[in-house]
Amino acid sequence: DAGITQSPRHKVTETGTPVTLRCHQTENHRYMYWYRQDPGHGLRLIHYSYGVKDTDKGEVSDGYSVSRSKTEDFLLTLESATSSQTSVYFCAISVTGRGIAGELFFGEGSRLTVL
Amino acid sequence: AQRVTQPEKLLSVFKGAPVELKCNYSYSGSPELFWYVQYSRQRLQLLLRHISRESIKGFTADLNKGETSFHLKKPFAQEEDSAMYYCALRNSGNTPLVFGKGTRLSVIA
Repeated sequence: DAGITQSPRHKVTETGTPVTLRCHQTENHRYMYWYRQDPGHGLRLIHYSYGVKDTDKGEVSDGYSVSRSKTEDFLLTLESATSSQTSVYFCAISVTGRGIAGELFFGEGSRLTVL
Repeated sequence: AQRVTQPEKLLSVFKGAPVELKCNYSYSGSPELFWYVQYSRQRLQLLLRHISRESIKGFTADLNKGETSFHLKKPFAQEEDSAMYYCALRNSGNTPLVFGKGTRLSVIA
């Protein structure tokens, strides 16, 4: 699993509340990604990071922000959650030097329900 | 723009029958193509990548640049192949993967 964990694994919240999802890795890989998974849409990139304090937007970044103050943690924040952000969120890291270069390893996912 | 199309949302086959999961892409350069799989209650994992040209769990996929396709094939489906399959591409290195919408494969005993 390349030492990647997500927290919380499940969360139910109300519209308008802030939510932060955490992705933690233990192997100091540079590239980290946040995707959301929705039926009929597959996986869509929200934001990604290519180093500490270096982030960029993905396809569906509106309503989300990210921060990476240290290599091991990549935080995804919903400033004011909406029902359309109900989804399963996956963090991934890109691993080089082991197995297939540039292979993505995924976390177990964080299921978020916004009521 | 990069785009991955998986035309089938659901594919049901009988055990022992051949399987083909379709994937077409649009990209102007030379992309890297991947297949990822998500078994029930498990995390997404890489199944195979066109560069390696290897067979994993009996699955193969050939990149056809003329038809811009990367179909996933297996000659004899097994029940344990039932899962969600995603085709993905990227232009190079560590650029983010672009995923298709996925195809759910159901292998019927």
